[in-house]
Amino acid sequence: NAGVTQTPKFQVLKTGQSMTLQCAQDMNHEYMSWYRQDPGMGLRLIHYSVGAGITDQGEVPNGYNVSRSTTEDFPLRLLSAAPSQTSVYFCASAGDSNQPQHFGDGTRLSIL
Amino acid sequence: RKEVEQDPGPFNVPEGATVAFNCTYSNSASQSFFWYRQDCRKEPKLLMSVYSSGNEDGRFTAQLNRASQYISLLIRDSKLSDSATYLCVVKNGHKLVFGAGTILRVKS
Repeated sequence: NAGVTQTPKFQVLKTGQSMTLQCAQDMNHEYMSWYRQDPGMGLRLIHYSVGAGITDQGEVPNGYNVSRSTTEDFPLRLLSAAPSQTSVYFCASAGDSNQPQHFGDGTRLSIL
Repeated sequence: RKEVEQDPGPFNVPEGATVAFNCTYSNSASQSFFWYRQDCRKEPKLLMSVYSSGNEDGRFTAQLNRASQYISLLIRDSKLSDSATYLCVVKNGHKLVFGAGTILRVKS
C-alpha cells in the first residue's frame, strides 16, 4: 500500500530553473494539497484541490502552479525557482477536507 | 498575529511526567481541530482529532474551548518515544492551518 508518493526526495536547482514536484496517491482520495515547511513557521498551504479538475490557492501560492487532471496525481510546478523557495515540500491527501490528511515523505528542495 | 499560535518549547520532561500543550487560534469560524505529531525530518502524522466534548486516546487527552479559542493536549506517563514536535491544526473551510509546533523532549 503506497499511500502518498512524492518524487524526487531531494533536488538542487539553480535560480531561474523550472521543475515539477510529483505527488501521487493510490487511495482514491478527492482532496489533495501541497505545503511548504520552513524552520519556525510550520506548514503553509500552497495550493489544494477538492477533486479532479478543481484547484485553489492556499496561503502562499505565488511562484507555484498546480493542476489536477486525474484523481491520483497533483503535481506542483515551480515556474522560475528562487532562493526563497528553498524548503521542504509535503504533499497530502484525504477523502475530503474533513478527513485526516495522509502526508508523503516530503521533497527537500534547495535553490542556489 | 499568526492564525494558530503555539509555544515552541522545547519542553524537557523526565520519563513518566505529565505534560500539557496549549494552542490558540484566531478564526472563530474554524470548524475542526487536530493534533499532529512530526518526528525530526519526517512527515506529519495525525495524533488525534479534537472534539468539543473532549476526547482521550490512551495516554493522550485533547480538549477544545471554543469560547476562549484554544485547544490543549495532555500527555500522561511520558515515554521516550513521545519526543517529537506536536502540531496544532485548525480547519477553515477547505484549508488546514498549522501551528509552528511545540517541541517535546522526554529524557530518561
